Amino acid sequence: EPEVTQTPSHQVTQMGQEVILRCVPISNHLYFYWYRQILGQKVEFLVSFYNNEISEKSEIFDDQFSVERPDGSNFTLKIRSTKLEDSAMYFCASAAGLEALGETQYFGPGTRLLVL
Amino acid sequence: QKEVEQNSGPLSVPEGAIASLNCTYSDRGSQSFFWYRQYSGKSPELIMFIYSNGDKEDGRFTAQLNKASQYVSLLIRDSQPSDSATYLCAVRPESGGSYIPTFGRGTSLIVHP
Repeated sequence: EPEVTQTPSHQVTQMGQEVILRCVPISNHLYFYWYRQILGQKVEFLVSFYNNEISEKSEIFDDQFSVERPDGSNFTLKIRSTKLEDSAMYFCASAAGLEALGETQYFGPGTRLLVL
Repeated sequence: QKEVEQNSGPLSVPEGAIASLNCTYSDRGSQSFFWYRQYSGKSPELIMFIYSNGDKEDGRFTAQLNKASQYVSLLIRDSQPSDSATYLCAVRPESGGSYIPTFGRGTSLIVHP
């Protein structure tokens, strides 16, 4: 069964460093998402991406964040200058279409980011 | 500020019983409602979505929506120990073309043999 994959599974970085989190969505999916979940907290939407551009972004997704689909398979989230509060689990998700039309978002296993 | 409230639990039920999980939301413009299951340390997995008032059944799961009361629930019949997880409610407005979901903190369910 196709699945969303994410690398790395864990990332430890120093405050102020740049990190890139990578995702390989399911191959025929068109909609891509990033979420984060701080330990013990709720899942928070960061950004959605369709047709090579950002569809929507939340207040969390400030200028420190960027997303890119550099090729036909990868979808990346870059944090330019990490802060302690960026420590969280980051989930990538993909969907063949919009949930409004009955399509399901499939989540990847997540990347646990720890900023020291 | 759009809020989605869930009792954090844990909700403990015996195997075979019905588990009832509840969620309230503040945004009256919400149109889509989702229930996810999340095992500890894992990613959310969609169980059901519901758009219309009333009940929607899928196997052992029934989602119930009451937009007037701003309330959505999930019933799990014949609960199994493998159902032990955190259940996340997510609500989406879909007004003005926005599809940004708001998640609740989740309810921890424990099904004991």
